[in-house]
Amino acid sequence: EVQLVESGGGLVQPGGSLRLSCAASGVTFSDYYMDWVRQAPGKGLEWVGRSRNKVYSYTTEYAASVKGRFTISRDDSKNSLDLQMNSLKTEDTAVYYCTRSERYSNAWFPIFWGQGTLVTVSS
Amino acid sequence: DVQLTQSPSFLSASVGDRVTITCRASQGITSSLAWYQQKPGKAPKVLIYAASTLQSGVPSRFSGSASGTEFTLTISSLQAEDFATYYCQQLRTFPLTFGGGTMVEVK
Repeated sequence: EVQLVESGGGLVQPGGSLRLSCAASGVTFSDYYMDWVRQAPGKGLEWVGRSRNKVYSYTTEYAASVKGRFTISRDDSKNSLDLQMNSLKTEDTAVYYCTRSERYSNAWFPIFWGQGTLVTVSS
Repeated sequence: DVQLTQSPSFLSASVGDRVTITCRASQGITSSLAWYQQKPGKAPKVLIYAASTLQSGVPSRFSGSASGTEFTLTISSLQAEDFATYYCQQLRTFPLTFGGGTMVEVK
């Protein structure tokens, strides 16, 4: 059974940093694309970024709203995906979800989702 | 960026109703679209991927279809557990984008 468990959320001041982690079990981690998706309180879903798999050298993509401030990294030996968030803004307040994608017909679809971790950016 | 226009934003329905939600893409995305269901306080759950493929374990009353840049999620007979918010997402072009969501509420 695939399980994704996020951790590291909490309260941080504007301009501060936070590092989220996602621990994956039940998978060969290096085979899969992994995404971060967030949801501000009472709002819709927003894609944050993607880490491709080992075949594609773990290259990353980011939403414009976080590019240059957020960095996705992964440690396949630990089955762990991280999201380093710097220069945080109040608008980054959200529940952050880790997802694992599977490939189908030349696209990668986020099939498995973690339970989410809440990040609150406030002074 | 690919804009996904989801309609309606809000839908009031009764158990047993047939429900249709539409997601219109601003440009071609082939079949690279997924549908999710989200209940309050819970993570989204994938229902359909590749526009029309039912995720394992999802009831067969859910179905997806596509015609050009218009995608449809249909619930053939709404059940009590289906009252939730539904989102579409395109996985064709970066940035990956979501529709605005459709809240399905009890009539």
